[in-house]
Amino acid sequence: GDSVTQMEGPVTLSEEAFLTINCTYTATGYPSLFWYVQYPGEGLQLLLKATKADDKGSNKGFEATYRKETTSFHLEKGSVQVSDSAVYFCALSDIGSYQKVTFGIGTKLQVIP
Amino acid sequence: NAGVTQTPKFRILKIGQSMTLQCAQDMNHNYMYWYRQDPGMGLKLIYYSVGAGITDKGEVPNGYNVSRSTTEDFPLRLELAAPSQTSVYFCASSTTGDSNQPQHFGDGTRLSIL
Repeated sequence: GDSVTQMEGPVTLSEEAFLTINCTYTATGYPSLFWYVQYPGEGLQLLLKATKADDKGSNKGFEATYRKETTSFHLEKGSVQVSDSAVYFCALSDIGSYQKVTFGIGTKLQVIP
Repeated sequence: NAGVTQTPKFRILKIGQSMTLQCAQDMNHNYMYWYRQDPGMGLKLIYYSVGAGITDKGEVPNGYNVSRSTTEDFPLRLELAAPSQTSVYFCASSTTGDSNQPQHFGDGTRLSIL
């Protein structure tokens, strides 16, 4: 079956540091890939997505590229801010009778001033 | 624009009690979902619905029931609360079942069973 692997963290960075959160996946078909962000006390919000190989999703300075050859969708940001502190979920969505989404366990990011 | 609204935000139940978690969306989405989020486990799908009157089981349906009488509402019912159901519950919706569509989440219901 489908699966998503990401580190749980926490990842602690100083403000303006470079961020990478790794995400790898296994899927039988050709899934769409997502990064969701969850701020404390809130639900998940879409951060970015990519729907086919070599697509790059980007939003709010975050980027991720759909790499089919390495089955990866790593999240990057060049300079993190304190306001980026949150939990980040990698997810894949495969074709089926409904929108079956498989989530990673979430990576907690803490950015310190 | 309210999006997906969940009530209550917090609840403490005793073992064996029952309750209904409410979920409403105002985006006219056909697809709705209930997830539970446990520490270190990501989100697991409990039930989903592809439209009014149609529901089906997800990965972890035991101990729960749902109904979908309208497009807007998708309540989740716990009949006999057990400590294993202590979790954070999220309702989500999407426009279609296409794999490239994002899901829109509510802010969650934090439920403790004591």
